[in-house]
Amino acid sequence: GAVVSQHPSRVICKSGTSVKIECRSLDFQATTMFWYRQFPKQSLMLMATSNEGSKATYEQGVEKDKFLINHASLTLSTLTVTSAHPEDSSFYICSADKGLQGNEQFFGPGTRLTVL
Amino acid sequence: DQQVKQNSPSLSVQEGRISILNCDYTNSMFDYFLWYKKYPAEGPTFLISISSIKDKNEDGRFTVFLNKSAKHLSLHIVPSQPGDSAVYFCAASAVGNNDMRFGAGTRLTVKP
Repeated sequence: GAVVSQHPSRVICKSGTSVKIECRSLDFQATTMFWYRQFPKQSLMLMATSNEGSKATYEQGVEKDKFLINHASLTLSTLTVTSAHPEDSSFYICSADKGLQGNEQFFGPGTRLTVL
Repeated sequence: DQQVKQNSPSLSVQEGRISILNCDYTNSMFDYFLWYKKYPAEGPTFLISISSIKDKNEDGRFTVFLNKSAKHLSLHIVPSQPGDSAVYFCAASAVGNNDMRFGAGTRLTVKP
């Protein structure tokens, strides 16, 4: 199988603080990981593509300095929401790709961020 | 706890024929369902969605059917085209909780 975990599953923080979300591929190496944000009743919005050992590629409109992504190893990518504000409250989902041609992408369970 | 299940990991159909991808869920609180399509080395893209107040939603060649009593939904693609070859993910979200749960995906191969 291919399992992707996210931690924490839920986080509540005060405005102005930074929050780190971890995405781990538990039983495979992920050359590429994706970070998504989901708004209520809307489809996923791709925020950035993260490749191990290189800088993340951000989608247009996503602030690089706001959403820091680090893909330090083939099993771990982190998303840090810096100086969080209430409008950053959302559901963040990561997914991991084994990097093989035609391979499926595996989703994490998501992280619910609430900024007070 | 796998609340959304896609029991067929792969499906192969001939070009021009109908593709039917199935999805089952266990949480009766789910009220919104989505299908995503993913090409290799790319992120998934939204395809079509359906609210629980409907039992059918159509968009061009794509139609999603929802059977609430059976907790089952399906995506129909007709006619299928080789460019439809991809992995399709089913997702669901619950009333009052916008967090989504994804199925494991079904790889569709449309042969010319």
